[in-house]
Amino acid sequence: AQSVTQPDIHITVSEGASLELRCNYSYGATPYLFWYVQSPGQGLQLLLKYFSGDTLVQGIKGFEAEFKRSQSSFNLRKPSVHWSDAAEYFCAAGGTSYGKLTFGQGTILTVHP
Amino acid sequence: GAVVSQHPSRVICKSGTSVKIECRSLDFQATTMFWYRQFPKQSLMLMATSNEGSKATYEQGVEKDKFLINHASLTLSTLTVTSAHPEDSSFYICSARTGYQETQYFGPGTRLLVL
Repeated sequence: AQSVTQPDIHITVSEGASLELRCNYSYGATPYLFWYVQSPGQGLQLLLKYFSGDTLVQGIKGFEAEFKRSQSSFNLRKPSVHWSDAAEYFCAAGGTSYGKLTFGQGTILTVHP
Repeated sequence: GAVVSQHPSRVICKSGTSVKIECRSLDFQATTMFWYRQFPKQSLMLMATSNEGSKATYEQGVEKDKFLINHASLTLSTLTVTSAHPEDSSFYICSARTGYQETQYFGPGTRLLVL
């Protein structure tokens, strides 16, 4: 069965520190991969996506993610976190028929000043 | 571009009444729209997939007679929660995409509270 796992439920970092959010997937083939961010009470905003090609993907707000086929991972990174990055982050995978997405459990990011 | 809106943003209703939630793609035509439900501190659960002009495809365990979905145009899909009960209280989010393999863009969500 297709699945997406975000091992870290909650991560706390200091403002200015680097960040890495983990995401692992289990799919029959290489899926399309996405990272979304959700602020409290809001919908999801797309940060970046990977369909094919360069395995290092640049997104909005200074985020990047690297697709590693050998590790079935698509980890999200940011070199220097800002207080406004505090939110919940969802990794998602798609590519099945009808384009349905499978979401990870989400990782809540807290940023300390 | 790729903006999706939802209306209303929050609604409170009495048990037994029906509630309609609208999802609109504002600057693109959405061949497919998706409806999700999100419980507090949990991930998104896909409820159904709707394609313009055809019947929605519901996920296992989702009651199609309770959650009526209509996708009458390329920019509008509606979710009607019929005979709502307190256990239907949740955050409902829609998404839209232009075609197969395209990115899903999400609406801001609708908070439903059934008293």
